Amino acid sequence: EVQLAESGGGLVQPGQSLRLSCMTSGFTFGAYIMTWVRQAPGKGLECVALIRTDTYGGTTQYAASVQGRFTISVDASKGIAYLQMNSLKTEDTAVYYCTRGRGLQSVYDYWGQGTLVTVSS
Amino acid sequence: DIQMTQSPSTLSASVGDTVTITCRASQSISSWLAWYQQKPGKVPKLLIYKSSNLESGVPSRFSGSGSGTEFTLTISSLQPDDFATYYCQQYVSYSTFGPGTKVEIK
Repeated sequence: EVQLAESGGGLVQPGQSLRLSCMTSGFTFGAYIMTWVRQAPGKGLECVALIRTDTYGGTTQYAASVQGRFTISVDASKGIAYLQMNSLKTEDTAVYYCTRGRGLQSVYDYWGQGTLVTVSS
Repeated sequence: DIQMTQSPSTLSASVGDTVTITCRASQSISSWLAWYQQKPGKVPKLLIYKSSNLESGVPSRFSGSGSGTEFTLTISSLQPDDFATYYCQQYVSYSTFGPGTKVEIK
């Protein structure tokens, strides 16, 4: 059974940092693209970062809204994806979902339950 | 960046109705278009990929069509479980979601 489980969310002040983790199981980690998608309260979905594993070239991409502040990485040996979030802003407040991307051009077929990040003074 | 729009933003319908949601891309995305369903407090669920391919386990009353810049999601014979918000997603270049269409009970 495919499982993704996020952790690391919480309440932080603007300017602070947070690292989210996504532990996965039930699939060959290196065969998929891992993505973080967020959803601000009452709002829509935004893909903030994705990482293509070595199978797909090992590259990363970021939304313009987080470029230079967020870093996505993986520990493929453990099946874990990370999202390092620096210089957090109030507008980064959202539920952050870890998703599995299927194919080089990815649809997200499995999602974690999400972790809430609240940025507030 | 590719922008996605959806119409309508809200749709009121009754059980048994056939409803259609439209998604438009700011430039051609070929058939790289997916649809997701999200219920309140729940995780989004993949319904359709590559414009018209039904994800495994998704009821056949859901169908998708379109290519280029205009796409549609059709739900035939709406069921109580179908009242939710629907998002389109382009994935030809990075990934962008539409703003969502809420299907509510009339």
